[in-house]
Amino acid sequence: DVKVTQSSRYLVKRTGEKVFLECVQDMDHENMFWYRQDPGLGLRLIYFSYDVKMKEKGDIPEGYSVSREKKERFSLILESASTNQTSMYLCASSWGRAGVPEAFFGQGTRLTVV
Amino acid sequence: GQQVMQIPQYQHVQEGEDFTTYCNSSTTLSNIQWYKQRPGGHPVFLIQLVKSGEVKKQKRLTFQFGEAKKNSSLHITATQTTDVGTYFCAGIRDYKLSFGAGTTVTVRA
Repeated sequence: DVKVTQSSRYLVKRTGEKVFLECVQDMDHENMFWYRQDPGLGLRLIYFSYDVKMKEKGDIPEGYSVSREKKERFSLILESASTNQTSMYLCASSWGRAGVPEAFFGQGTRLTVV
Repeated sequence: GQQVMQIPQYQHVQEGEDFTTYCNSSTTLSNIQWYKQRPGGHPVFLIQLVKSGEVKKQKRLTFQFGEAKKNSSLHITATQTTDVGTYFCAGIRDYKLSFGAGTTVTVRA
């Protein structure tokens, strides 16, 4: 079974802190994604990566950055956390660019910024 | 960015009834995927539609892709309590997977 693991289920951080959300997948997937999920807004794409060291902005990249130094790991970084970044963050991965395969999601990290 | 709209946002269904949720895109999609998220869970892939006009069935679920590849629907017959959750469509364009806001389904026994 494909496994996508997010480092924390729940996280509480203070305003202005630098926050790292980590995601690891064990299936050698090329594509990795970060979404945030808010009530009524569905899943909004923050960033995605289709290869090591490659990244592309999604629909709401402001206030976020990402890092993909290894194929299996995709990190989401909040440089200076703000209260409006309180949300559920979901990481996903999928096979490469040939075809458009299904995405496998992690369990999510519920981040609260106080 | 790509806009994928889903309606309705909420669907309250009597057990045993049928319902349909709709997904519309502002642009032509290469294909579309559907996911289900149970309460407290994460989205899980259900199906992918690729061809114009394609129809696929999974037991009581029927998925359809529009002729113009800009809309899709999910029809559930004889709703059961196990159908509770949020159903998302996701459009693919330039390899970006963009989700709609989802339809949250509750079932009255």
